[in-house]
Amino acid sequence: TQLLEQSPQFLSIQEGENLTVYCNSSSVFSSLQWYRQEPGEGPVLLVTVVTGGEVKKLKRLTFQFGDARKDSSLHITAAQPGDTGLYLCAGVYGYGKLTFGQGTILTVHP
Amino acid sequence: NAGVTQTPKFQVLKTGQSMTLQCAQDMNHEYMSWYRQDPGMGLRLIHYSVGAGITDQGEVPNGYNVSRSTTEDFPLRLLSAAPSQTSVYFCASSYEGRGETQYFGPGTRLLVL
Repeated sequence: TQLLEQSPQFLSIQEGENLTVYCNSSSVFSSLQWYRQEPGEGPVLLVTVVTGGEVKKLKRLTFQFGDARKDSSLHITAAQPGDTGLYLCAGVYGYGKLTFGQGTILTVHP
Repeated sequence: NAGVTQTPKFQVLKTGQSMTLQCAQDMNHEYMSWYRQDPGMGLRLIHYSVGAGITDQGEVPNGYNVSRSTTEDFPLRLLSAAPSQTSVYFCASSYEGRGETQYFGPGTRLLVL
């Protein structure tokens, strides 16, 4: 079983602050995905990172894949209340199998 | 396109009862999978299918059966429900399952008493 440790589990910040969520594993993944999930809905893919060292930006969100393809981070700049939600990282291994981190519940207060 | 649909949205079962969670997709995706989501544990893979007639076990398959007779449908069967199966169940599909976008359904909330 491939394990993915995500931290922190909970994050409560004020609007305008920056934050980083981490995903770490001892296993190598072919790619890593970040999802966002709203209450009562299924996860929605934000980004897939494939190459070691890859950095992708999605507006105020920056995603990084570690050089060894074992870890990843999500950085949000100037967080807004609309960023509130559950963020999940998922490592892709084998034929399309995903192993998910525990998730980070982010709350951004106005 | 409706995407990935799941029924029912909510279900309450008694221990020992059986039921089938339905999942359908209209995107002609070959790869479909079932996950369960429990607090503090993320999503865990139950079973997956790489095409009609082909299924395999994921991380937590015990107590669940699946079959894939068509490309569109991938039902999940609970043979004899147990309280430990209380969870939110998500079905997902993707074009080939090679790490591209996975589309998740809205989930089924199951409570086993």
